[in-house]
Amino acid sequence: AIWMTQSPSLLSASTGDRVTISCRMSQGISSYLAWYQQKPGKAPELLIYAASTLQSGVPSRFSGSGSGTDFTLTISCLQSEDFATYYCQQYYSFPWTFGQGTKVEIK
Amino acid sequence: QVQLQESGPGLVKPSGTLSLTCAVSGGSISSSNWWSWVRQPPGKGLEWIGEIYHSGSTNYNPSLKSRVTISVDKSKNQFSLKLSSVTAADTAVYYCAREPLAGIAAAGYMDVWGKGTTVTVSS
Repeated sequence: AIWMTQSPSLLSASTGDRVTISCRMSQGISSYLAWYQQKPGKAPELLIYAASTLQSGVPSRFSGSGSGTDFTLTISCLQSEDFATYYCQQYYSFPWTFGQGTKVEIK
Repeated sequence: QVQLQESGPGLVKPSGTLSLTCAVSGGSISSSNWWSWVRQPPGKGLEWIGEIYHSGSTNYNPSLKSRVTISVDKSKNQFSLKLSSVTAADTAVYYCAREPLAGIAAAGYMDVWGKGTTVTVSS
């Protein structure tokens, strides 16, 4: 299985900040990476797929980049509704696997 | 738009079988999508369990493959999960989700999710 390391595990930030979350893969996956946002007690929501393609309806302050083994999710101007946990997921090879999550909390 | 709703017992005894159903509304289960199950133990991350196409083709996570069966019922527009020989480690929120099609295979990412259902394994 392909494993990923998300960093940081916890990120303290303020509204208006630019935040970056990293996802590093145990092997190259081309651009077969998705990012999800999950709020407490809710299901995950797809933000980005194919490493950098924004899912319909997702605000443009979210962006993704990277290919191969290193990927980044960037929130350009953090809003109050963005405080949540973020997961990366690879779909290059079975089984699909998720990162351990990055919790973005209010500083 | 497509909506998914999980249902099933919230409590299962150890060594028993966990059975869940995901009802698809607002669209057909025979559309060009794969259908997945994902679980999340309390306070932990996400684990992909497996997926099914309306033809009955399946893919499973090897870590669970010996205990998992995913099936589809086109007449009821739903798909199901069975997990046998459960232990406390199977206690989790179980989600069903939709995977778009990429060519003839699952795209791999999940664009529509159910709200999730909590299953506790306890005597």
